[in-house]
Amino acid sequence: EPEVTQTPSHQVTQMGQEVILRCVPISNHLYFYWYRQILGQKVEFLVSFYNNEISEKSEIFDDQFSVERPDGSNFTLKIRSTKLEDSAMYFCASSESTDTQYFGPGTRLTVL
Amino acid sequence: GDSVTQMEGPVTLSEEAFLTINCTYTATGYPSLFWYVQYPGEGLQLLLKATKADDKGSNKGFEATYRKETTSFHLEKGSVQVSDSAVYFCALSDVSDYKLSFGAGTTVTVRA
Repeated sequence: EPEVTQTPSHQVTQMGQEVILRCVPISNHLYFYWYRQILGQKVEFLVSFYNNEISEKSEIFDDQFSVERPDGSNFTLKIRSTKLEDSAMYFCASSESTDTQYFGPGTRLTVL
Repeated sequence: GDSVTQMEGPVTLSEEAFLTINCTYTATGYPSLFWYVQYPGEGLQLLLKATKADDKGSNKGFEATYRKETTSFHLEKGSVQVSDSAVYFCALSDVSDYKLSFGAGTTVTVRA
């Protein structure tokens, strides 16, 4: 069964460094999403992406964040200058239409 | 805005016990409703969904019915197994923006 994959599974970085989290969505899906879950808190929506552009973003998704679909298979989330409060589990999701979203296993980001 | 409130955990049960996790929602439109499950060390997996009032979603012995009159989508399973130990998330997707809004998650532990 097709699945969403994410790399790396765990990323440790120093405050102020740039990180890129990578996702490979399910191949025939057209809608892509990033969510995050800070330890002990709710899963929060960050951004949705369709037709090579952002369709919606949350207040969390400020100028430090960007997303890109550099080729036909990858979908990336970049954090330009990481802060301590960016430490969280980041989930990528994809969907064929605007209905059911399928999630990857997540990348745990630790900012020191 | 849209929001989901679900029963606080943790919940600890014996095998073959009945499980219910309450979930209520607030939405301006007519959302689709979902239950996702997160097994230890894994990502979010779709458990079941319902897209309109009175629909019943079911999977792996779990059921939830979309109740518009009470704005609820409670998850039930008649006889749990140790393998059902996981974190369960209720979520909604509004037709206007497709992003998922999650509840806080309920940790369920089933003991043999």
